[in-house]
Amino acid sequence: AQKITQTQPGMFVQEKEAVTLDCTYDTSDPSYGLFWYKQPSSGEMIFLIYQGSYDQQNATEGRYSLNFQKARKSANLVISASQLGDSAMYFCAMREAYSGGGADGLTFGKGTHLIIQP
Amino acid sequence: DAMVIQNPRYQVTQFGKPVTLSCSQTLNHNVMYWYQQKSSQAPKLLFHYYDKDFNNEADTPDNFQSRRPNTSFCFLDIRSPGLGDAAMYLCATSRAGGPGTEAFFGQGTRLTVV
Repeated sequence: AQKITQTQPGMFVQEKEAVTLDCTYDTSDPSYGLFWYKQPSSGEMIFLIYQGSYDQQNATEGRYSLNFQKARKSANLVISASQLGDSAMYFCAMREAYSGGGADGLTFGKGTHLIIQP
Repeated sequence: DAMVIQNPRYQVTQFGKPVTLSCSQTLNHNVMYWYQQKSSQAPKLLFHYYDKDFNNEADTPDNFQSRRPNTSFCFLDIRSPGLGDAAMYLCATSRAGGPGTEAFFGQGTRLTVV
């Protein structure tokens, strides 16, 4: 079973509108972290926002906020007032509590290709 | 200033000819990761180093090897590249820690196999 599911392969949004990118996850670990990354066409993974499984409040970073619904195992990214420069691939990722190594890598979803139209 | 640097940005190699991709970091992180990202797919973890300890993912082909001569550098060696190995290869680093530990990525090396 997929650990991270992003159901929107592509989205077109008008500039200045808010956009929500969906992410659901699957884990039996009570301690985990959820991340969103932006990947422009240049290829670099740019960290946007993080939500810990024990965090009581939804994470916010500037125009980015994370709508965390733990019971539903969803962690949707909300971008307010979208800009042309927001056009990119967006990946949701999870790291589960380390199994003793302290170094587990990220498991990524398949991504959403967001295109902002003027 | 770039903190995780991958060289080269673009690499073209011949089918079956060994190739090495390079990653360096100025963050002094003790964990370094290599991910493979094929076109329109999610990045997939190949392996990671925790200090000098090498940790291979179960489904990483034997064709892929890695070396970490010191804290700052890590190399990905592909012994006999096939056409299916064409991909973006992403290096990342992090401190060892809990699930909230941020990973810092390089700009990636886009590998073409001809």
